[in-house]
Amino acid sequence: NAGVMQNPRHLVRRRGQEARLRCSPMKGHSHVYWYRQLPEEGLKFMVYLQKENIIDESGMPKERFSAEFPKEGPSILRIQQVVRGDSAAYFCASSPNSGASTDTQYFGPGTRLTVL
Amino acid sequence: AQRVTQPEKLLSVFKGAPVELKCNYSYSGSPELFWYVQYSRQRLQLLLRHISRESIKGFTADLNKGETSFHLKKPFAQEEDSAMYYCALSWTGANNLFFGTGTRLTVIP
Repeated sequence: NAGVMQNPRHLVRRRGQEARLRCSPMKGHSHVYWYRQLPEEGLKFMVYLQKENIIDESGMPKERFSAEFPKEGPSILRIQQVVRGDSAAYFCASSPNSGASTDTQYFGPGTRLTVL
Repeated sequence: AQRVTQPEKLLSVFKGAPVELKCNYSYSGSPELFWYVQYSRQRLQLLLRHISRESIKGFTADLNKGETSFHLKKPFAQEEDSAMYYCALSWTGANNLFFGTGTRLTVIP
């Protein structure tokens, strides 16, 4: 099992462009979580998804950010019209389909977004 | 509101010395506490969780509800313990983990 995969590992965008971050969960996992880590801070929850459903997006900024986890393919975190403040490391985690809300989460290597 | 505090950003100890990484939390219900570790050039991974009551790589952590703490301890630090350590909080019904800001542990040979 290759573990949680994220790509790209590094992404550079200019202000106003769009950023798309992809996450493939571990095999057999159907729960995906996105976290953001700003410099000098801890990871902060953004959104929790199951296949084709957003379960909890309480940590997502109200504008410009969206996430999806389609039936086929990876989960996508999309940031429109990026600003310098979006520069951060974005981590994806997955957990198995056991239904327990405190399942162990397995993290990907992260995508480091830099906005010029 | 829930909060996790790790008061030390950096901690250095000599090899063979005891180490304690502090974690305090704020949550009014029944929490679940975790320690995650990130070694150099590796991804974040679970080290231990309080409900398991295990010792992993010589580390232990006891949940103290009176002091709202979940400090991570190891009696004899090893060089390979050098890493970034994050304390995290969750609870039954929560959909996510709340992380502290992390402590970078350096074990000096």
